Amino acid sequence: DTAVSQTPKYLVTQMGNDKSIKCEQNLGHDTMYWYKQDSKKFLKIMFSYNNKELIINETVPNRFSPKSPDKAHLNLHINSLELGDSAVYFCASSGIEGNGNTIYFGEGSWLTVV
Amino acid sequence: GEDVEQSLFLSVREGDSSVINCTYTDSSSTYLYWYKQEPGAGLQLLTYIFSNMDMKQDQRLTVLLNKKDKHLSLRIADTQTGDSAIYFCAEAAGTALIFGKGTTLSVSS
Repeated sequence: DTAVSQTPKYLVTQMGNDKSIKCEQNLGHDTMYWYKQDSKKFLKIMFSYNNKELIINETVPNRFSPKSPDKAHLNLHINSLELGDSAVYFCASSGIEGNGNTIYFGEGSWLTVV
Repeated sequence: GEDVEQSLFLSVREGDSSVINCTYTDSSSTYLYWYKQEPGAGLQLLTYIFSNMDMKQDQRLTVLLNKKDKHLSLRIADTQTGDSAIYFCAEAAGTALIFGKGTTLSVSS
């Protein structure tokens, strides 16, 4: 009963392809996120959705399009993949709990563009 | 803007204490967090501290917060080889977290 699950875990694809990464949380949280971790392990937020509405959209190429069909799901679609898109993409969710707005992360999706 | 700084590497011997330091910039952050990432794995919440606290202890982990200097530290007592990982400091910025670049802890036996 994984709290935040994302698929696929590993994805190798060619430049120019379009791919999607799916994320689901069963924590009942209202807010979901996509973070990108580059080859140097730096973590940066890409998007944040609250109750299916976009609330954070950092400087991310518009080839990246998040979609939230409901508050338990936040999928990431990437068009025209480039070599620089190779990274680990983490989905996360958060809700107000005893320890504040704690964010729980999925296991990550390792994307390699060749 | 928000920026969280940490040293990139720390190397200790098994059984020693490890201290990982972090500085943050947003004085309005209500919570500060430490996450652990083992090789090939996701981010695991280790511990957190509320901004009105100076210290929090949780088994082998001690978090110290100096709000005046915006300095946060994580002490791991009796460090074990299984503690080898990347440790991320994070501050709450609205509903999101801003992460430091991570400190890679290497524990030698």
